[in-house]
Amino acid sequence: EVQLVQSGAEVKKPGESLKISCKGSRYTFTNQWIGWVRQMPGKGLEWMGIINPGDSNTKYSPSFQGQVTLSVDRSISTAYLQWSSLRASDSAMYYCAKLHYGSAENWGQGTLVTVSS
Amino acid sequence: QSALTQPASVSGSPGQSITISCTGTSSDVGAYNYVSWYRHHPGKAPKLILDEVSNRPSGVPDRFSGSKSGNTASLTISGLQAEDEADYYCCSYVTSSTLDVVFGGGTKLTVL
Repeated sequence: EVQLVQSGAEVKKPGESLKISCKGSRYTFTNQWIGWVRQMPGKGLEWMGIINPGDSNTKYSPSFQGQVTLSVDRSISTAYLQWSSLRASDSAMYYCAKLHYGSAENWGQGTLVTVSS
Repeated sequence: QSALTQPASVSGSPGQSITISCTGTSSDVGAYNYVSWYRHHPGKAPKLILDEVSNRPSGVPDRFSGSKSGNTASLTISGLQAEDEADYYCCSYVTSSTLDVVFGGGTKLTVL
């Protein structure tokens, strides 16, 4: 069974950097795009961006372009979402998902990020 | 790239059927048969329940069905059960120079 396992919850201060991870297993990691989804408290799901693990090609939502960076390490089948300078408004649950023709077939368990001074 | 439009909430009694609509444009829902639906229980990961408009992944009961007409896709849940109470999101492939997937705003299903 395909698995996506995300890193644990994080508590950070505004201005700090952060990199969260999503490790894929039981499938060929480089064959399918990985997407990142944000859910702010009480709000809906939003696509942040997607990355092709095969060639690191990335596509960002205009709302997140320049705010976050997607990357992968193919050697350990892991995708990353990172911030260089967190803001309180980045507090949210973040999910990774494996995509197939625009459908998120499999999801990570989510990583809760809390940014507070 | 705007979110697809879903009703904020729907409700139904156990055993009844409900339908959730997902309205987009000729650049997303109307252009592609790559519409998917997700069930999201708070605190858990979302789960894919339909892809390519009406295809049920393995393990999803046939109580869940999907259709599309023009720029609007629909999810129908028949034989409502208490466990169906959740948030439901549609998602579509979209013609875009940036990100080519977009969610709907989500619909809260209450089982009365």
